[in-house]
This record gives sequence, structure tokens and C-alpha cells, in this order.
Amino acid sequence: KNQVEQSPQSLIILEGKNCTLQCNYTVSPFSNLRWYKQDTGRGPVSLTIMTFSENTKSNGRYTATLDADTKQSSLHITASQLSDSASYICVVSRYGNKLVFGAGTILRVKS
Amino acid sequence: GAGVSQSPSNKVTEKGKDVELRCDPISGHTALYWYRQSLGQGLEFLIYFQGNSAPDKSGLPSDRFSAERTGGSVSTLTIQRTQQEDSAVYLCASSWFGGAADTQYFGPGTRLTVL
Repeated sequence: KNQVEQSPQSLIILEGKNCTLQCNYTVSPFSNLRWYKQDTGRGPVSLTIMTFSENTKSNGRYTATLDADTKQSSLHITASQLSDSASYICVVSRYGNKLVFGAGTILRVKS
Repeated sequence: GAGVSQSPSNKVTEKGKDVELRCDPISGHTALYWYRQSLGQGLEFLIYFQGNSAPDKSGLPSDRFSAERTGGSVSTLTIQRTQQEDSAVYLCASSWFGGAADTQYFGPGTRLTVL
């Protein structure tokens, strides 16, 4: 079954600290993996996209990693800011443009 | 440039009524998607339009759900005889070509509450 599982479900960190969100998937055939950020009451916004051959991709303070062998990805946020408080969604694309979404990790950054 | 817009932003309806949700994609995007996001759940794919091709309706949960895309632009998602389990945020997204590597740009969603 094509699934994307994310952990933790929710996370609270202090402003300025780093954190890492996890994503495990069983989607096949794999095309690419994306991380989206979704602010409360808004649609998701793409942060990174990685294909099979890419191990890491950065977007500012966000760094995503991908291990296609173990089917795991992580999103590392450096020097967190209050504006990073959001839901982070891992999305795996199958060939044929079928997207499988994780349930998301809710991150709260507090001062 | 304008992003994907959706209307209404919130809709409260009574069980059994029909509702129409509207999506205006980014101008020039040929692909349009509808998703449903229930509380604590991942996004659920509903339907996909690509150009003039027949839409991929494989995600529609029942025959009470239908969608149209007129003139290759605006799309309307219709839910007939709404049920309480239809309560969710309905998100629309568009992309340039609809390919697997294409980034989908999401609208703000319509929050549907069925009483």
C-alpha cells in the first residue's frame, strides 16, 4: 500500500533552536519527494523537491535529505523562527503524477 | 501575479443540501487538482484536470461529488446531498503541465462545515 508516514505528529521548540522532521514512505514507483509548509488557514507551499538521485536539497534555513534505499526523508530547520510555526507535509509522487500525502508534522516555535 | 484563489473561504450548510466550491487557477496553468483535507489527516486526492484530456476522477469518494473545468480555467467542485462526513477543507491546486516534477501551487482552501 502506498503510504507516507511522518513523525513526530507535533513538536514544540524554542526560537533559535534546530529541529528535524521525519518522513518514511512506501510509495512505488517513486518519482520525487517534496516538503510543503502549510500555515494555518492557508494552502501548502512547496519548500523542496528531490528526485531519486538527489540526497539533499536546501532552501534557506530548510534542508531536506533523501535516502531512496531506506525510503526515508528528513527536513531540518536551522535557527528556527516564530514564523516557522506551521504544518510540514511530506508528499511523495508516483509516476503517473499520483501524489501521496503524509498527515503532516505540526511545528510550534515559541519565544 | 495572482495565485490560486478559491471561494467561498468558508461554507456552512445543512445536511442534504448541495454546495458548489470554486477554484480560479493561476493563469496559464494547464493542470488543476482538487484535494480534501480532514482534521488530522493528510490531503486526499479527489480529481485532476489536464488540458482537454478526460479528468482523472479516481479520487472522488462517491457519486455525490463531481467537478467541472470550464474553458480550461475555472473549476467548480459540486457536492450533492451533503453529509456530515463531507466536512473538511477543500483545496485546489494548479501547475503548469501536470507532470510529476511540476510544483503544484495551492489555493487557501474552502472550509466546508455540514451541520
